[in-house]
Amino acid sequence: EAGVTQFPSHSVIEKGQTVTLRCDPISGHDNLYWYRRVMGKEIKFLLHFVKESKQDESGMPNNRFLAERTGGTYSTLKVQPAELEDSGVYFCASSGGGIGSYEQYFGPGTRLTVT
Amino acid sequence: EDQVTQSPEALRLQEGESSSLNCSYTVSGLRGLFWYRQDPGKGPEFLFTLYSAGEEKEKERLKATLTKKESFLHITAPKPEDSATYLCAVVQSNYQLIWGAGTKLIIKP
Repeated sequence: EAGVTQFPSHSVIEKGQTVTLRCDPISGHDNLYWYRRVMGKEIKFLLHFVKESKQDESGMPNNRFLAERTGGTYSTLKVQPAELEDSGVYFCASSGGGIGSYEQYFGPGTRLTVT
Repeated sequence: EDQVTQSPEALRLQEGESSSLNCSYTVSGLRGLFWYRQDPGKGPEFLFTLYSAGEEKEKERLKATLTKKESFLHITAPKPEDSATYLCAVVQSNYQLIWGAGTKLIIKP
């Protein structure tokens, strides 16, 4: 069974540019989560989808971040325009079962560097 | 404020030298606690979920325990391949995870 995949693995952009990160969850997993880890800090929750609906987006830092999950399959996270403080590793995770099922499986992450 | 603290930040052990990692938490409405392992350049890899005080789970050389205030990850006779960062996260009542900063474990042969 394929795990959670993320694309790209690494992105370097200039301040003010736009970047779109993609996450493909494990097939059949209704729950999809986005997290971010800034250098030297702990992982922080961004948002949680259940199928195509945003269950909880309280962790999104501001309106420069837009997440979508059309059709309840893959998800994208767009940052527009990017700022220096957006640099970090963005992780996606998915879980099966009902809402908030606990065993979350993580992708390898996308390392975003904003210069 | 809900918080998760892991200690120590880093731990160096000789191969075969057993030890424990700590995860202490203050969370209202705890639904569970996760332990993950993370290797450099990879995403966290799920190890254990603990749901209630007194619960214990084991996997190979690892054993996780949970009390009302903290969790321990015991490593028995570790090998170099156990070297990784070990992350603890608690599940809040709203199903959000709050993460600790991790313990970097280095096992020297």
